[in-house]
Amino acid sequence: EPEVTQTPSHQVTQMGQEVILRCVPISNHLYFYWYRQILGQKVEFLVSFYNNEISEKSEIFDDQFSVERPDGSNFTLKIRSTKLEDSAMYFCASRELDQETQYFGPGTRLLVL
Amino acid sequence: QKEVEQDPGPLSVPEGAIVSLNCTYSNSAFQYFMWYRQYSRKGPELLMYTYSSGNKEDGRFTAQVDKSSKYISLFIRDSQPSDSATYLCAIGKGFQKLVFGTGTRLLVSP
Repeated sequence: EPEVTQTPSHQVTQMGQEVILRCVPISNHLYFYWYRQILGQKVEFLVSFYNNEISEKSEIFDDQFSVERPDGSNFTLKIRSTKLEDSAMYFCASRELDQETQYFGPGTRLLVL
Repeated sequence: QKEVEQDPGPLSVPEGAIVSLNCTYSNSAFQYFMWYRQYSRKGPELLMYTYSSGNKEDGRFTAQVDKSSKYISLFIRDSQPSDSATYLCAIGKGFQKLVFGTGTRLLVSP
């Protein structure tokens, strides 16, 4: 069964460093999402992406964040200058064009020291 | 008022029990409702998707939606220790973001 994959599974970085989190959505899906989950808190929406542009973003998704689809399979989230409060699980999700159901990847655990 | 409210639990039940998990939401514009299961430090796994008021059954799982009360439920019959996880309700409209509840942690003891 096709699934969303994410790399790396864990990333530790120093405050102020840039990180890039990678996702490979399900191959026939055209909408992509990033969510995050701070430990012990709920899953929160960050950004949605369709047709090579952001379709919606939350207030969390400020200028430090960016997304890109650099090729036909990868979808990335970049955090330019990480803060301590960026420590969280980051989940990528994708869906088909005309379906509401979103499928999530296993997540990347980001720890900012 | 929060968009989605969900009791965080934990909810502890013996194996074989019927489990009822619930969420309420505030915005009647939401159109579809999902239940995800999340094991510790893993990604949310889609369990059930419903669009209209009423019941939808899939094996031991039944999703129930009452749009008039803005209330959604997930029932698990014959619960198993392997059902121990956090259950997240998520609601959406159109093709936009999903809004999640806080999740209810379920513990099924053998």
